[in-house]
Amino acid sequence: AQSVTQLDSHVSVSEGTPVLLRCNYSSSYSPSLFWYVQHPNKGLQLLLKYTSAATLVKGINGFEAEFKKSETSFHLTKPSAHMSDAAEYFCVVSDSGANNLFFGTGTRLTVIP
Amino acid sequence: DTGVSQDPRHKITKRGQNVTFRCDPISEHNRLYWYRQTLGQGPEFLTYFQNEAQLEKSRLLSDRFSAERPKGSFSTLEIQRTEQGDSAMYLCASSLAAGGFTDTQYFGPGTRLTVL
Repeated sequence: AQSVTQLDSHVSVSEGTPVLLRCNYSSSYSPSLFWYVQHPNKGLQLLLKYTSAATLVKGINGFEAEFKKSETSFHLTKPSAHMSDAAEYFCVVSDSGANNLFFGTGTRLTVIP
Repeated sequence: DTGVSQDPRHKITKRGQNVTFRCDPISEHNRLYWYRQTLGQGPEFLTYFQNEAQLEKSRLLSDRFSAERPKGSFSTLEIQRTEQGDSAMYLCASSLAAGGFTDTQYFGPGTRLTVL
């Protein structure tokens, strides 16, 4: 069975400093992993996706994530936070080829000017 | 805008009433999904269609819920005899079959349901 644990419900960073949002997953098979972002009153937007190719995945807006099988982790990082990055971030897992996504409970990112 | 659209964006109803939501996917996408998101939680999978066939339903989808995709294009989600516990954001997503890998799902803005 698949599951996702987002280790921090809220992360606060200063503008221009690095962002780290942590995610651990559990999957019976080879997983597909995603990060989605949800801005207030807007739909979920895909940031990046891992599907068994390169373990370091680059996404939009300067975000990237590294798949570490030994640690069952897929942490999201960005070198320098921008005010527009303030949003809710969801780590998502699916068994490769499956069609239902399992979302974590989300991490709210606050960016302090 | 050619993204996923949902209608209405907000719905307030009284307990016991029936409600119906509509989702229009990205036009070339053959798969369509419904999720429910309650406050402070991530979305939870409800059901999915490939073309007009409903291929998977979650245990969350009680008998009061029914979804259709009659012509393999738009979809409707109906909730009968609504309960206060049905209050949530209902999200629709669509994708193009990826041939072995999990598809990338594109989400609509959601319909927020409030049951009084």
